[in-house]
This record gives sequence, C-alpha cells and structure tokens, in this order.
Amino acid sequence: NAGVTQTPKFQVLKTGQSMTLQCAQDMNHNSMYWYRQDPGMGLRLIYYSASEGTTDKGEVPNGYNVSRLNKREFSLRLESAAPSQTSVYFCASSKGSSGNTIYFGEGSWLTVV
Amino acid sequence: QQQVKQSPQSLIVQKGGISIINCAYENTAFDYFPWYQQFPGKGPALLIAIRPDVSEKKEGRFTISFNKSAKQFSLHIMDSQPGDSATYFCAASRGSNYKLTFGKGTLLTVNP
Repeated sequence: NAGVTQTPKFQVLKTGQSMTLQCAQDMNHNSMYWYRQDPGMGLRLIYYSASEGTTDKGEVPNGYNVSRLNKREFSLRLESAAPSQTSVYFCASSKGSSGNTIYFGEGSWLTVV
Repeated sequence: QQQVKQSPQSLIVQKGGISIINCAYENTAFDYFPWYQQFPGKGPALLIAIRPDVSEKKEGRFTISFNKSAKQFSLHIMDSQPGDSATYFCAASRGSNYKLTFGKGTLLTVNP
C-alpha cells in the first residue's frame, strides 16, 4: 500500500521554466491537497480538491495551477517558476470530512535558480 | 493573519524529560485539533488529535491538553526519547471545512 506518491522527489528549475508535480493516492480518498513548506513558515495550503472535479484556492495559490485528473491524481503546475517558489512541496489526501486524517506524501524538493 | 500560533520554535530536552509544545488559536469555530510529527526528509504524519468536547487525550507517552476558554492546546511528551526528535506541528480545522491550518512548527531535540 503506497499511500500518497509524489514525483519528482528533487527538481532544479531555471527562472521562467514550467513544470508539473505529480501526485497519486491509492486510498480511495475524496480530497487531495498541495502544501508548501518553508523554513519557519510551517505548512501552507496552495490548492485543494474537495472531491473529483472540484478545485479551490488555499492560502498561497499565486503562481500555481492544479488539475484533479481523476479521483486518484492531483497535479500542481508552475507555469513560470520564480525563486520565491523554491520550497518543499507536499501532496496529501483525506477521506474528505471533518476530523479525517490527512495523509502526506514524502515531499518534492524544488529549487528555482 | 496567523490563525494558529505555535511555541516554542525549538526545544531541547534530555532523555526521560517532559517535552511541552503549546498552540493558541483565534477562530472559535475550529473543532478539530491534530498534532503532526515530521522526521527529516519525510512528510508529516498524524500523531494524536482532539476535539473540543474533551479537555485531555492520551495515547501512550503523548497527551494533548485542551483549554477551550483560553483557546489553547498543548502537546506533552512524557519520558522523551531520542527517537522523538522531530518537528511537531499543531493544526486546526472547522466543521465541514476540513482543510487544516498549521502552526509554524517546533523542532524538538531529545539528547541522550
């Protein structure tokens, strides 16, 4: 049982390049999330998808787009990467109701130079 | 506006000691308060959680204390072990809005 799988694990981008972070979960969860983690800032929600077919902005959505491809997959796209987007990105999923455990992937380390 | 404030930023405890991490929240509509544990290079994982209808929840060496009137909750780690060394995040969510708002984290180091 893999849980939440993210790819790639490490990526270096040049300013202005685009890329997509892929995420898949095998727990039949309804809700999926993308968080970023920066030193001293905790985990901040970028976008989430409450259920297949819906997506909503979180706390820090600027510079990102998402696609809920199906129930299993939720991708995060950086259209024109900026150094401020250097961060560790975590995909997560949950059943999708109050109090449900949110399960995180192992993270994607992104550096924009 | 930071809705969940966590302290301290870092904590050093001797093996066998008690580790205490505190969080305060602003939104009285929050009704679910989990703590997550994160080891280096890994994603956060749920450690323990509480709802505001109880004042304390204990699971093994880990206890959450909850003070609804003060809008505060804390994590106590009894008999702290070097293997407990990790970053701990408190979080909160409300009702049907199950998105978690996280504190900024506490780096715990337990010295042998």
